[in-house]
Amino acid sequence: SQQGEEDPQALSIQEGENATMNCSYKTSINNLQWYRQNSGRGLVHLILIRSNEREKHSGRLRVTLDTSKKSSSLLITASRAADTASYFCATDVPWGGGGNKLTFGTGTQLKVEL
Amino acid sequence: DTEVTQTPKHLVMGMTNKKSLKCEQHMGHRAMYWYKQKAKKPPELMFVYSYEKLSINESVPSRFSPECPNSSLLNLHLHALQPEDSALYLCASMSDRLNEKLFFGSGTQLSVL
Repeated sequence: SQQGEEDPQALSIQEGENATMNCSYKTSINNLQWYRQNSGRGLVHLILIRSNEREKHSGRLRVTLDTSKKSSSLLITASRAADTASYFCATDVPWGGGGNKLTFGTGTQLKVEL
Repeated sequence: DTEVTQTPKHLVMGMTNKKSLKCEQHMGHRAMYWYKQKAKKPPELMFVYSYEKLSINESVPSRFSPECPNSSLLNLHLHALQPEDSALYLCASMSDRLNEKLFFGSGTQLSVL
């Protein structure tokens, strides 16, 4: 089963509105990351928040982390059409292959309309 | 240079073919990864090379074979694939455990006929 479950699965908003997507995970983490993926392309790292942090900002992005609820949220303010993409949370979890691996959540597809 | 370069961008192969996917980075990163991504799904980790040591996701079939000729190059050899192996194959690198951020290539879109 997935380490990270995201909701909503899909989100459609108008340009200028804020977009919020949520990620829930199952095991203890060292950090949680958010990535963006344009259709059929590679993923791009957006922001990393450590387990001892509660909130972090980067430009129009705001990420929160609640380790007691095992959840995180990504807020994109003043959205633009260019923000249309899929957004994935990722957590660092132990892996049977040895060490830890970055496991991705199910993703939120964001569409920002003009 | 902050890029991870993957070739080819698209590949169509038959089930009896042998092909290879290539990945290159010149950021001095010592860990490189292969992920497989089906449409509308998250990437799934297949293999990790960390300081030239290989770790394998045991659910990956043996028709996929990774190779790391040096710390800048990563190959994925494909042999006798099945149509269900059609997917986007992503290469990624990470500088070190402290940095923890993955840099991804743009992927190879593979179709197996």
